Amino acid sequence: QVQLKESGPGLVQPSETLSLTCTVSGFSLTSNSVHWVRQPPGKGLEWMGIIRSGGSTDYNSALKSRLSISRDTSKSQVFLKMNSLQTEDTAIYYCTTSFAYWGQGTLVTVSS
Amino acid sequence: DVVLTQTPVSLLISLGGQASISCRSSQSLVHSNGNTYLHWYLQKPGQSPQLLIYQVSNRFSGIPDRFSGSGSGTDFTLKISRVEPEDLGVYYCLQRTHNPFTFGSGTKLEIK
Repeated sequence: QVQLKESGPGLVQPSETLSLTCTVSGFSLTSNSVHWVRQPPGKGLEWMGIIRSGGSTDYNSALKSRLSISRDTSKSQVFLKMNSLQTEDTAIYYCTTSFAYWGQGTLVTVSS
Repeated sequence: DVVLTQTPVSLLISLGGQASISCRSSQSLVHSNGNTYLHWYLQKPGQSPQLLIYQVSNRFSGIPDRFSGSGSGTDFTLKISRVEPEDLGVYYCLQRTHNPFTFGSGTKLEIK
């Protein structure tokens, strides 16, 4: 069945770079897009960006200058990198394929 | 960016009752290909969002027919009939017609 699982550091220092991995199974990255979505504690959902089946990317303009999404199809992994982190980037980060199947999310706290 | 306004902010419904949630868009969600990409999600406490309805009115796999979606253009509604205890949580609408994709601010359903 379709599964996605996010992984990464739980704690990041302010001004540093966040690196997250989404490992997928049950579908091919060359046939399906993957999105990243985040949710600050107790708040709503924010779409961050997409990597499409062909490898092209698109980003939320609010994050575009800091965000990069890439993938390794041989490992069935999608990567998120976001630089210049601030406390307001504290959130649960989710990966989702086509907004239908979601990972469990990973909490990232930005704090010194 | 497209703004999705969800009302009400919260609902208190008796078991077996009916709930109705509105999602109004700041612009038409009809894509240039003729499809309308408005989806509905339920996020249960401590869980990832789960897809209920896609493209306005189509129930996702495994979603009971107690959930129904309707609407067009800028006005959309999710109806939940015969409310059950497992329906509690926060309901979100999502539009993926226009980039950046955006979510409504959520409607919290509580059970009497």
